[in-house]
Amino acid sequence: DAGITQSPRHKVTETGTPVTLRCHQTENHRYMYWYRQDPGHGLRLIHYSYGVKDTDKGEVSDGYSVSRSKTEDFLLTLESATSSQTSVYFCAIGPAGGWEQYFGPGTRLTVT
Amino acid sequence: GENVEQHPSTLSVQEGDSAVIKCTYSDSASNYFPWYKQELGKGPQLIIDIRSNVGEKKDQRIAVTLNKTAKHFSLHITETQPEDSAVYFCAASMGSARQLTFGSGTQLTVLP
Repeated sequence: DAGITQSPRHKVTETGTPVTLRCHQTENHRYMYWYRQDPGHGLRLIHYSYGVKDTDKGEVSDGYSVSRSKTEDFLLTLESATSSQTSVYFCAIGPAGGWEQYFGPGTRLTVT
Repeated sequence: GENVEQHPSTLSVQEGDSAVIKCTYSDSASNYFPWYKQELGKGPQLIIDIRSNVGEKKDQRIAVTLNKTAKHFSLHITETQPEDSAVYFCAASMGSARQLTFGSGTQLTVLP
């Protein structure tokens, strides 16, 4: 998984609670991304980062926020989880000099 | 924004036969087209990619072709093996941070 870890790998939480997912890389890549994967939808971009403290919204950003205070860490926060945010979340990284994206192992989040 | 359509959604082939998966994209500004393989419970794995200035790229049993005029690209797998069974995703990339838009995936089953 190209030096990418995600934590936790599984989480069950209740509606209305805050949740933070962590992505950690050891590749020193410039770009980091958060995607969600749902049946029939492929992967959809939530937020991305093009450097420390530089982030922007993706296709499905409502209800999510992100932060990147260090090159190696990219955090995804659900301020108040809803059942529609039950999904598998993937982090990806990409080098400054290329176009490739490499994905982490994923976090399965269930909101009850 | 970009829209990527992928066909077929499921594909079954006999071991040793070839498999072809096709994708179309909507935005002519897209200039990078990766293909990912995803096994059950794992993150997507980059298997081959192509830039918009190249028409074809091959890596052993896998090849990708791109028709910029028609805005479609295809994945070709020859001499399929049971371990090729997985979900395959196409994607198109554009933007300063190389954001990816994914197709909805193809479940490939190679029958022994």
